[in-house]
Order: sequence, then C-alpha cells, then structure tokens
Amino acid sequence: QSVLTQPPSASGTPGQRVTISCSGSSSNIRSNYLYWYQQLPGTAPKLLIYRNNQRPSGVPDRFSGSKSGTSASLAISGLRSEDEADYYCAAWDDSLSGPVFGGGTKLTVL
Amino acid sequence: QVQLQESGPGLVKPSETLSLTCTVFGGSVNSGSYYWSWIRQPPVKGLEWIGYIYYSGSTRYSPSLKSRVTMSVDTSKNQFSLKLNSVTAADTAIYYCARESSGGADFDYWGQGTLVTVSS
Repeated sequence: QSVLTQPPSASGTPGQRVTISCSGSSSNIRSNYLYWYQQLPGTAPKLLIYRNNQRPSGVPDRFSGSKSGTSASLAISGLRSEDEADYYCAAWDDSLSGPVFGGGTKLTVL
Repeated sequence: QVQLQESGPGLVKPSETLSLTCTVFGGSVNSGSYYWSWIRQPPVKGLEWIGYIYYSGSTRYSPSLKSRVTMSVDTSKNQFSLKLNSVTAADTAIYYCARESSGGADFDYWGQGTLVTVSS
C-alpha cells in the first residue's frame, strides 16, 4: 500500500489530453514539493516534473504539473505513442522523514 | 553529464547480505549539494526508497528497512554502497542508485538498475 495514491491505469488516443492524479496528505503533498517520474518499459525512471510544476531541460511542454492541497495532477497534452509508460508521483513525507512514492499509473496510448 | 552505474551480485541466498555499489561518473560524491540514494522496485511493482547517504557519511534510511540497511560512501573511488542483511524473497527487486538534489524527492539522475534475486 503506497503512501501516495494514484489510479493504476489511464489511457487516451493520440492527440488527446490525459491527466493522472496523485492523492496524499498534509504530511506529504500539502507541505512539500511534488515530483513526477516517467518510466518507459525496461528503463530507469526519469524526472519529468520537479517542484510541483517545473520541467527539467529537455522535457516537452506537453507535460505539466499542478498541486492543490493534498492532491496533485500530471497533465499530458497532444498525447503521443512514445508517452506510453508508467508514471509515478513522489514527495517528501514529514511523518516518515523520507520520500514516498505513489503506486504508479500505467498510461496506454490507444 | 552525470552517470551512475550499479554493480554487485545478481543472486543472493536467503538470510545472507545483499551488497551493491554505485559508481558516479561526471560528478563527485564529495559534493555537498547532493544526497546519494538507493531505491528499489520489486518485479511489476512500484518504487520504494531505501535511503540516502551524504558525502559526510551521514545517512537517513527508510523506517521499514532501517534495521537491515547500512550505506557507506568512498570519496576516493567516487562510489557509494548499500548493504541489506537478512534478505528474503521479498527483497528481490531491481535496485537503482540515484542522485537526490534537495534532501527531498528530487531524484535527477538514476543508474540503469540492477536486478537482485534472492533465492537458494
């Protein structure tokens, strides 16, 4: 059971906009930055969004992050086949004194 | 460009100690700006943080693994290491080393991961 809650799956067709949610609590999402990671099949996770809504260099602006209260969302617009991957949210947890991850959402591009 | 590379045995017997090393290229473990981390991923499951080590040798471990984990850093070799003792089949996972940039959940560089199987 992950500390942060994500839907196990999401899907969309090419060109669509898809959102993935991440729910937590006051000890993690509300009081700390939220991060998103993309894990393509057979590869290591890659930082996709940092500090709630910032994109590292090289990440397309089709990816955006937002946070409100104890929840956060990752939005992917103009969906492409290469976006098919697992997506994880993560945040520091003040109660556990360590970072925690969501269970991951498998995105399928139909 | 920073690169991290895990190394160590791919098979460990139950009750024994899992030992992995991460070598850092293109950056220094001696930097005071980063926390050198271990994260694992059981087969077809999610990510689990194991712990951090700072260049000074100070550590922070996951509460659920704290009693079995030891991390160390070797600045002369630009490496950091993980030891997990008394392993069981539940410790079978891909183990990643990663660099964390803020003392939070900002893992900006990852190794490619190494599969460790616990089996007799």
